[in-house]
Amino acid sequence: EAQVTQNPRYLITVTGKKLTVTCSQNMNHEYMSWYRQDPGLGLRQIYYSMNVEVTDKGDVPEGYKVSRKEKRNFPLILESPSPNQTSLYFCASSLIDQGSPLHFGNGTRLTVT
Amino acid sequence: QKEVEQDPGPLSVPEGAIVSLNCTYSNSAFQYFMWYRQYSRKGPELLMYTYSSGNKEDGRFTAQVDKSSKYISLFIRDSQPSDSATYLCATPSNTGKLIFGQGTTLQVKP
Repeated sequence: EAQVTQNPRYLITVTGKKLTVTCSQNMNHEYMSWYRQDPGLGLRQIYYSMNVEVTDKGDVPEGYKVSRKEKRNFPLILESPSPNQTSLYFCASSLIDQGSPLHFGNGTRLTVT
Repeated sequence: QKEVEQDPGPLSVPEGAIVSLNCTYSNSAFQYFMWYRQYSRKGPELLMYTYSSGNKEDGRFTAQVDKSSKYISLFIRDSQPSDSATYLCATPSNTGKLIFGQGTTLQVKP
């Protein structure tokens, strides 16, 4: 089944404790992206990647890191999480770029206390 | 001004009603428009994809684009409780971003 898999689905952590949210797609997609979704603010792009080893900042990249060492994986790293990073995070992929239909994962709900 | 504006609702309608969901956008260079549907506790999924002005129909759903007024709409005919979800309009920029509207929450009551 074609899908984007995120893990974990739920995560509660404390300020400053490094964490990684994994994202993997099995559709051989070139483009991958991370979004956060907050009430009243909608979906905001954090980082995106057009291909392996190519990543770029989105609208809200501060406090986040990403890497794209393999085509299928695009982990999101929070080196020192803060409470304002409490949010619902989505990974997405598409065949070519942002103009192609995006396939989303089911989200990771992160709480930073 | 946001690049894509969407009334967040919520919008509550009785089953069988015709629903109209709308977005406006600011940049006349935007060419492609998408509608995503997001059920509670799920990721968004693509519902419709349009390029040109005019209407595109898919079952009970019709997407309409009016480029002269920078206005996009999604119509749902004979709405069902299973249509209850958040609907997001989106358009790709030329800088690697897919720009989303805030999303409109729809509830269809039996």
